[in-house]
Amino acid sequence: KQEVTQIPAALSVPEGENLVLNCSFTDSAIYNLQWFRQDPGKGLTSLLLIQSSQREQTSGRLNASLDKSSGRSTLYIAASQPGDSATYLCAPLTGANNLFFGTGTRLTVIP
Amino acid sequence: GAVVSQHPSRVICKSGTSVKIECRSLDFQATTMFWYRQFPKKSLMLMATSNEGSKATYEQGVEKDKFLINHASLTLSTLTVTSAHPEDSSFYICSASEGYGYTFGSGTRLTVV
Repeated sequence: KQEVTQIPAALSVPEGENLVLNCSFTDSAIYNLQWFRQDPGKGLTSLLLIQSSQREQTSGRLNASLDKSSGRSTLYIAASQPGDSATYLCAPLTGANNLFFGTGTRLTVIP
Repeated sequence: GAVVSQHPSRVICKSGTSVKIECRSLDFQATTMFWYRQFPKKSLMLMATSNEGSKATYEQGVEKDKFLINHASLTLSTLTVTSAHPEDSSFYICSASEGYGYTFGSGTRLTVV
């Protein structure tokens, strides 16, 4: 069974800093990997999706990389803003519609 | 982009009653939808896969008689928590895929008193 670990569990940074969130997964036979954002008490918002054949994806200040063979993905956030404060979840897709979630990284950006 | 609508966003019910949560794909057809449960500060746990026109597939440890899933059309799946108890209080989220990644509903906070 796929196991997903996200480090750190919580992160607090001053506004403007660049930061990296880490995700590791045990089963490298994935179809793709998706990064989500979850605000307290809310649903999930998709940020980036990386296909298994890709190395990275970029959207605005966000850049996600994927090293499938080593079971790792990182989410890079440039010039962090208070509005970026949320929990970030990574979810590799394994097999037929099996989306596994890590426990997330709770990010706080201090103004 | 794909939109998934989930209602209600919050519901409080008395112990022993049943609660129905709706999940709709607004601008695409979803033959498969997924129901997740999330405990405070925990990750999302897949409860079941809802299949249009057929029975849902439940994950191990999820009581299918307690969590009834109906997927009667290509745009609507419902989760009914039957005879709810306080331990069923949780955050429930549905999702669907248009073929490129997964889109999630906004979630339902269920409180059983």
